[in-house]
Amino acid sequence: QVQLVQSGAEVKKPGSSVKVSCKASGGTFSSYAINWVRQAPGQGLEWMGGIIPIFGTSNYAQKFQGRVTITADESTSTAYMELSSLRSEDTAVYYCARGVVRGVQDYYYYSMDVWGQGTTATVSS
Amino acid sequence: QPVLTQPPSVSASLGASVTLTCTLSSGYSNYKVDWYQQRPGKGPRFVMRVGTGGIVGSKGDGIPDRFSVLGSGLNRYLTIKNIQEEDESDYHCGADHGSGSNFVYVFGTGTKVTVL
Repeated sequence: QVQLVQSGAEVKKPGSSVKVSCKASGGTFSSYAINWVRQAPGQGLEWMGGIIPIFGTSNYAQKFQGRVTITADESTSTAYMELSSLRSEDTAVYYCARGVVRGVQDYYYYSMDVWGQGTTATVSS
Repeated sequence: QPVLTQPPSVSASLGASVTLTCTLSSGYSNYKVDWYQQRPGKGPRFVMRVGTGGIVGSKGDGIPDRFSVLGSGLNRYLTIKNIQEEDESDYHCGADHGSGSNFVYVFGTGTKVTVL
C-alpha cells in the first residue's frame, strides 16, 4: 500500500520561500497525480495545485499562480511544492495527496485517496 | 469553475442518521463530487465519489457500510446511518473541473458533524 511521507515542520520569515517534499513508498508513483492542499488554522481545505509525474505537467489554482511551483522527481518518487513571497496568511498545514488520473492530453484527476501526514508551515517575523 | 456549498454544521444523536449536502453552483449538474472525512486533529481521508447515478468507483479504505451517497440535480449527498462517536468529523466535498492545462480542483467549505 502506497504511503506519502512529507518533510518536517517549517518556520519562515515573511517574504521568504518554503519547499515541502512528499515521498511515495510502497507503490506506484508516476502514473498518479500528486495534489497539494493546504488548511489554514480553523479553515477548510484549499487546493493549491497538482502534478502528474509521468507527464511532467503541473496545474495551479489561480490564487497561487506565480507564487507556487510544483515539481516531481520520478527517480526518487518525490514531489515538491515551493511557495514563495510568504506572508502570515500562508501559515497552514500543507498536505500532499494522490489523485486518480484519466486521459492524456486532456487529462484530469480526482479522488485523493492517499494523503501525506501534513507539514505545518508557520510564517512569522 | 463550480462553487460547492456546504452547510457549516449539522448534529445528530448517537445511532441516528444524518445526511450531508454538497450543492454545486448552477450549470454543473453533471459533475461528480468527492467526499472526504477529517477527524479532529487529523488529516483528510477519502470517503467516496458520487455522481447523479450514485457512487462512482469504490469507497475509501476502511469506510464502513453505513456511509452511502446519492446525487440529484445540483446536490450530492453523503448519508451516515447509525452514526457513531468516531464519525464526529469535518466533512469536505471537492470537484474536479476542466482538463489539461485548464484543470483545477475545488473544495467546499466543509460541514462539521457533531454526534450528540
